[in-house]
Amino acid sequence: KQEVTQIPAALSVPEGENLVLNCSFTDSAIYNLQWFRQDPGKGLTSLLLIQSSQREQTSGRLNASLDKSSGRSTLYIAASQPGDSATYLCAVEAGTALIFGKGTTLSVSS
Amino acid sequence: DAGITQSPRYKITETGRQVTLMCHQTWSHSYMFWYRQDLGHGLRLIYYSAAADITDKGEVPDGYVVSRSKTENFPLTLESATRSQTSVYFCASSSRNHEQYFGPGTRLTVT
Repeated sequence: KQEVTQIPAALSVPEGENLVLNCSFTDSAIYNLQWFRQDPGKGLTSLLLIQSSQREQTSGRLNASLDKSSGRSTLYIAASQPGDSATYLCAVEAGTALIFGKGTTLSVSS
Repeated sequence: DAGITQSPRYKITETGRQVTLMCHQTWSHSYMFWYRQDLGHGLRLIYYSAAADITDKGEVPDGYVVSRSKTENFPLTLESATRSQTSVYFCASSSRNHEQYFGPGTRLTVT
């Protein structure tokens, strides 16, 4: 059974710092991997989708990488801002639906 | 405005009552999904649908019923609500490249 783990569960950084969020999965037979952001009391916003044949995707200050063989993905956030404070969720598609990690809650202080 | 909407956004109901949560998307996506989000469990799939009149169970389907008579709508019904079904429910749809887009959620409390 596919399991997705995100470490750390929480992270606090000062504004301007570059940071990396980690995601690992147990079964490398995935179709794609998706990173989401969730603000308190809100829905999920898709940040980046990496297809299984891709190694990375970039959007603005965000860069996500995928290493299927090792079962790992990282989300790199450059020059963090207080507005980046949220919970970041990693999910892998195995079959049709997504299997989610429990998220990393990021707090960026000004 | 295009997107995916859910209604109601908040609902309080009593144990044993039937409740229907609505989901509507304007993208004509084939696939639609229902997830629940609980502290300690994260997001778990309840049911999904590949097209109109095609539905299948996810990880936690017990106590729920779905239907999909039109591509744009995917209602979720709790036939006899229980306290364990108190949760935040998210509807999602996916594009051709399998990217999933989520609605704003329905916060359901069963008393």
